[in-house]
Amino acid sequence: GAVVSQHPSRVICKSGTSVKIECRSLDFQATTMFWYRQFPKQSLMLMATSNEGSKATYEQGVEKDKFLINHASLTLSTLTVTSAHPEDSSFYICSARDQRNSSPLHFGNGTRLTVT
Amino acid sequence: QKEVEQNSGPLSVPEGAIASLNCTYSDRGSQSFFWYRQYSGKSPELIMSIYSNGDKEDGRFTAQLNKASQYVSLLIRDSQPSDSATYLCAVYSSGNTPLVFGKGTRLSVIA
Repeated sequence: GAVVSQHPSRVICKSGTSVKIECRSLDFQATTMFWYRQFPKQSLMLMATSNEGSKATYEQGVEKDKFLINHASLTLSTLTVTSAHPEDSSFYICSARDQRNSSPLHFGNGTRLTVT
Repeated sequence: QKEVEQNSGPLSVPEGAIASLNCTYSDRGSQSFFWYRQYSGKSPELIMSIYSNGDKEDGRFTAQLNKASQYVSLLIRDSQPSDSATYLCAVYSSGNTPLVFGKGTRLSVIA
């Protein structure tokens, strides 16, 4: 079945530094990938839609200059959290859909970010 | 605005019973419907997809779709403690749009 690989699974960084999270679709091409954030005991929140070869679409309230998204190929999207602060500590999850648009989203295993 | 509604729970059922999870959605143009299971601290895992009216069975899981009523449900037969998780209903409309997720129903299966 479709697999989405996300790396790293866990990262601890200091305030003010930047962290890059990678999301790869391993056995299918994805023109679109989606980035979610989930705080403890809360529901998934869509942050942005990553589009291969074009700019990402951000949800309301998500700062595009803080959460940089690059989707350089049909199998790779990256999310960079710039100048991280403790309030950015969260569980970040990427997802991708096979080119057949009605197919379900497949999720990566998530990245637990802790900013100290 | 497209919405997906679920009862947040917790829904508690005894081991061996049938757990029934419900979901309603607002967009009549929705095409595809999914149930995901999410354990605490983990990412969601797809357990069922359903695209047409009626029932779809896969092992202990049965998804039911009624597009006229804009209603999707998931039945889990012979519930096990390992089924204890949050179950997310998700709905897809068209194109490269994201899935719209409900807030999830927390299921607790009591041994």
